[in-house]
Amino acid sequence: GAGVSQSPRYKVAKRGQDVALRCDPISGHVSLFWYQQALGQGPEFLTYFQNEAQLDKSGLPSDRFFAERPEGSVSTLKIQRTQQEDSAVYLCASSLQGWTEAFFGQGTRLTVV
Amino acid sequence: GIQVEQSPPDLILQEGANSTLRCNFSDSVNNLQWFHQNPWGQLINLFYIPSGTKQNGRLSATTVATERYSLLYISSSQTTDSGVYFCAVHNDMRFGAGTRLTVKP
Repeated sequence: GAGVSQSPRYKVAKRGQDVALRCDPISGHVSLFWYQQALGQGPEFLTYFQNEAQLDKSGLPSDRFFAERPEGSVSTLKIQRTQQEDSAVYLCASSLQGWTEAFFGQGTRLTVV
Repeated sequence: GIQVEQSPPDLILQEGANSTLRCNFSDSVNNLQWFHQNPWGQLINLFYIPSGTKQNGRLSATTVATERYSLLYISSSQTTDSGVYFCAVHNDMRFGAGTRLTVKP
């Protein structure tokens, strides 16, 4: 596609509910990144894929967070048993290859109530 | 990991004024990128600038990798320039805390 597309744009989840956030990267982009942005803060790195391989997941805050990219294109970030501190904007970015110029989607705003 | 510091944290300008935003980083970087986050939260690419100087309209950027800093220049600021400006270094795509710019009419 023309840009990175994320869905849904907004998600309200009850505490304890599981959520799945989707990212469609720019066509042909090999690398894909997930970030978490809390209100008033800069984006914080969560995880990085090259094709279908998850090369770095050091930023995932707990084992409730899981990301996958099974066919090397679309990626899903799953959060299990959501908690209030998970409320944030989740941003996805893609790049042609590795740590080169990255382009971001519009993000998914998750609110856990 | 690498530390990224941006200054100033907040900046208020009158429309038409010029400004310089700074990004310092604690170690050698492979690449560096500047973004503008608009009031709707969208991160917009401004410059991909591992070194040297680039210009795009009223904006320009300079990265001096050997001295571990990058500068973003905004000239003749407009109200639409308001938002948060981030630099991100590409060793691990680590972001600074940003500079919040408010341009008043």
